[in-house]
Amino acid sequence: QVQLVESGGGLVKSGGSLRLSCAASGFALSDYYMSWIRQAPGKGLEWVSYISSSGSTIYYADSVKGRFTISRDNAKNSLYLQMNSLRVEDTAVYYCARCSNYAQVDWGQGSLVTVSS
Amino acid sequence: QSALTQPASVSGSPGQSITISCAGTSSDVGSYNLVSWYQQHPGKAPKLMIYEGSKRPSGVSNRFSASKSGNTASLTISGLQAEDEADYYCCSYAGSSTYVFGTGTKVTVL
Repeated sequence: QVQLVESGGGLVKSGGSLRLSCAASGFALSDYYMSWIRQAPGKGLEWVSYISSSGSTIYYADSVKGRFTISRDNAKNSLYLQMNSLRVEDTAVYYCARCSNYAQVDWGQGSLVTVSS
Repeated sequence: QSALTQPASVSGSPGQSITISCAGTSSDVGSYNLVSWYQQHPGKAPKLMIYEGSKRPSGVSNRFSASKSGNTASLTISGLQAEDEADYYCCSYAGSSTYVFGTGTKVTVL
């Protein structure tokens, strides 16, 4: 069955960097668009970024544009999110999701990123 | 990219029907019939309940249905059950491969 497992979260100081990974199994990553979505503690969901199946098309939310970079390695069935210049307000659980039919069909369990001042 | 507006909370008794609204704009909900709905239990990842406005993924109960009128989408849960108590989020395609989520609604089964 489809499984998405995020890793790489942790505690980082404001201005620092982290790289999240999402290991996909149970399907061919190369066949699907993928997204990152985040959820600040006690808050709602926020769409962060999107990458096409080949990696040729990428979009970001305004809140992370210029600081975050999404990428993928289809050969390794992995999705990544490089997060630079982190801010306190980037503190959240970050989910990777498999996209289909303009929806986030399958979600990982999430990876907590905490940015301290 | 302003969040879609949902009521903070909705409640109902077992067996009743409830409806959650999701108000957007002519740039998102109003322009596309591409609203999806997600259920999230505490400490868990969201689960897709509705896609492309009104379609249910395999395995999702037919007690969940959705529709849209103008710039507002709605999710209806019929025959409310204790297991339906959760947070619900709408999400709309907003063009150029971007998406916007709703503010979220806490559903309480009385």
